[in-house]
Amino acid sequence: KAGVTQTPRYLIKTRGQQVTLSCSPISGHRSVSWYQQTPGQGLQFLFEYFSETQRNKGNFPGRFSGRQFSNSRSEMNVSTLELGDSALYLCASSLAGDTDTQYFGPGTRLTVL
Amino acid sequence: AQSVTQPDIHITVSEGASLELRCNYSYGATPYLFWYVQSPGQGLQLLLKYFSGDTLVQGIKGFEAEFKRSQSSFNLRKPSVHWSDAAEYFCAVGARQAGTALIFGKGTTLSVSS
Repeated sequence: KAGVTQTPRYLIKTRGQQVTLSCSPISGHRSVSWYQQTPGQGLQFLFEYFSETQRNKGNFPGRFSGRQFSNSRSEMNVSTLELGDSALYLCASSLAGDTDTQYFGPGTRLTVL
Repeated sequence: AQSVTQPDIHITVSEGASLELRCNYSYGATPYLFWYVQSPGQGLQLLLKYFSGDTLVQGIKGFEAEFKRSQSSFNLRKPSVHWSDAAEYFCAVGARQAGTALIFGKGTTLSVSS
């Protein structure tokens, strides 16, 4: 079974721009969660989507948003990028969310200049 | 406040020696506990998890962890370290009420010397 895939793997943007990251979960998984990883703050939960609905949300500003499609693929969007948004963004999929095991993708490395 | 503390930022162990990585948590609800490993340029891989029952949990790659409620700890152990174990290790806590929202520690980087 193919693992979680994330595209693109690397991205460079400038302040003020917006960016969209994509995540394809493991086949059959309906829950997709997003995490931000930075050296200073570590790994932080952004949000979870299940059956095209945001089910849980972390403590991030409204510039961070996401969506999920009917095939469970998910995108996250960050608008009006700030330097502090530079991070590794990890996507994790699980069968039904909740406490099911989460399988992580390799991440998208976003650099904001 | 809910938190996970990994006191050791960096540990170096000789190949073949035993390993223990420390993890302490503070969590209001009944915790679910996890250990993940991250190699450079890779995502996180689950080593083991504890939900309930036997407090000694076996995981992949020869790792085990012991849940000690009285000490709010979930330390990871391996009896004999291999060079391929060099990576960053993360302890995480969750709960049924929190769904997939895990709280991670800041990680411990393991170096293996020959």
